[in-house]
Amino acid sequence: AQRVTQPEKLLSVFKGAPVELKCNYSYSGSPELFWYVQYSRQRLQLLLRHISRESIKGFTADLNKGETSFHLKKPFAQEEDSAMYYCALKETSGSRLTFGEGTQLTVNP
Amino acid sequence: NAGVTQTPKFRILKIGQSMTLQCTQDMNHNYMYWYRQDPGMGLKLIYYSVGAGITDKGEVPNGYNVSRSTTEDFPLRLELAAPSQTSVYFCASEYRDRDPGYTFGSGTRLTVV
Repeated sequence: AQRVTQPEKLLSVFKGAPVELKCNYSYSGSPELFWYVQYSRQRLQLLLRHISRESIKGFTADLNKGETSFHLKKPFAQEEDSAMYYCALKETSGSRLTFGEGTQLTVNP
Repeated sequence: NAGVTQTPKFRILKIGQSMTLQCTQDMNHNYMYWYRQDPGMGLKLIYYSVGAGITDKGEVPNGYNVSRSTTEDFPLRLELAAPSQTSVYFCASEYRDRDPGYTFGSGTRLTVV
């Protein structure tokens, strides 16, 4: 069965510093990978997905099939980036998302 | 276009009581999902539906039931509430083949005492 691991439950950085939220997965096929974000008192929302190869709010994520990772990166963190971040995996032919346990990011002034 | 709407936002139940969590979407999405979010545990899939009249179990279906009589609505039923069902419940929807990526509701915080 597929599994998503986010090794850091809490991550704290200073404004302007680079940030990397780690995500590792286990899945035998070719997955779709997503990052979702939940700001305080707001609903979960899609941040980005690997098939789009896009940059949203300065965040990027590259799928590394060799290391089975999909780390989320931003070169200069902002205070408004403080939120809970979830990495998620979808099977090749499926519809259900498997979520990691989440990383709470705090960006300090 | 309201997106995914969940009601109620908060609820306290006594052990053994029943309730229905409502979820409706106005985006004509074909897929709908119910997840529960427990602290430090991420989101676990309870039930999902790939279209009206079709539902299937997820990872943690015990103690819950669902129905999908219309494309828009996907209610989640708790028949005999237990303290273990204290959680935050999220409904989500998706148009699978056109725009993969979930749209979430704002959640229902349920406490069973």
